[in-house]
Amino acid sequence: NAGVTQTPKFQVLKTGQSMTLQCAQDMNHEYMSWYRQDPGMGLRLIHYSVGAGITDQGEVPNGYNVSRSTTEDFPLRLLSAAPSQTSVYFCASSPYPIPSNYGYTFGSGTRLTVV
Amino acid sequence: EDQVTQSPEALRLQEGESSSLNCSYTVSGLRGLFWYRQDPGKGPEFLFTLYSAGEEKEKERLKATLTKKESFLHITAPKPEDSATYLCAVQAYNQGGKLIFGQGTELSVKP
Repeated sequence: NAGVTQTPKFQVLKTGQSMTLQCAQDMNHEYMSWYRQDPGMGLRLIHYSVGAGITDQGEVPNGYNVSRSTTEDFPLRLLSAAPSQTSVYFCASSPYPIPSNYGYTFGSGTRLTVV
Repeated sequence: EDQVTQSPEALRLQEGESSSLNCSYTVSGLRGLFWYRQDPGKGPEFLFTLYSAGEEKEKERLKATLTKKESFLHITAPKPEDSATYLCAVQAYNQGGKLIFGQGTELSVKP
């Protein structure tokens, strides 16, 4: 059981380039989300999805797009990378978007640097 | 505004020296409070969910408690392998599953 898989683990982009961060889970979780983690800021929600075909914005959505065509996959697209998007990105999943005794399962992260 | 504040930012303990980490929160309708452990270069790992004031949960050397304004993570007789950053997060009603995280407490346990 792989859990939540994120690729790539590391990426360097030039300003203005676009790319897609991949996230896949094999737990049949309906709820998936993307967070970014910056020093001194804590984790902040970018976008989330409560099921295939349904997405919504989180706290810091500007510059990012998402789609959810299958239950398993929830890719995050950077449209035109900016240095302010340098961060560590985490994908998380859960059976439902409510607290449970299992919590949210996080991937191992993608460390992105925009130069 | 919903907010989570953790203290201290960093804590250094000797092996066997018990202590507590604090998580203060303000939220409009607490749905749940979470504790996570994060090792360097890895994603957060779930520890506990607390739902209401007075609730306590334990796992090995860790015990989490919850009041109406704060949560404590008590670490009893810590070992070096307990060294990590501990994150606290809250979830409020009508927030679409959003977790609001604190900045974390970096715990270092020396042998």
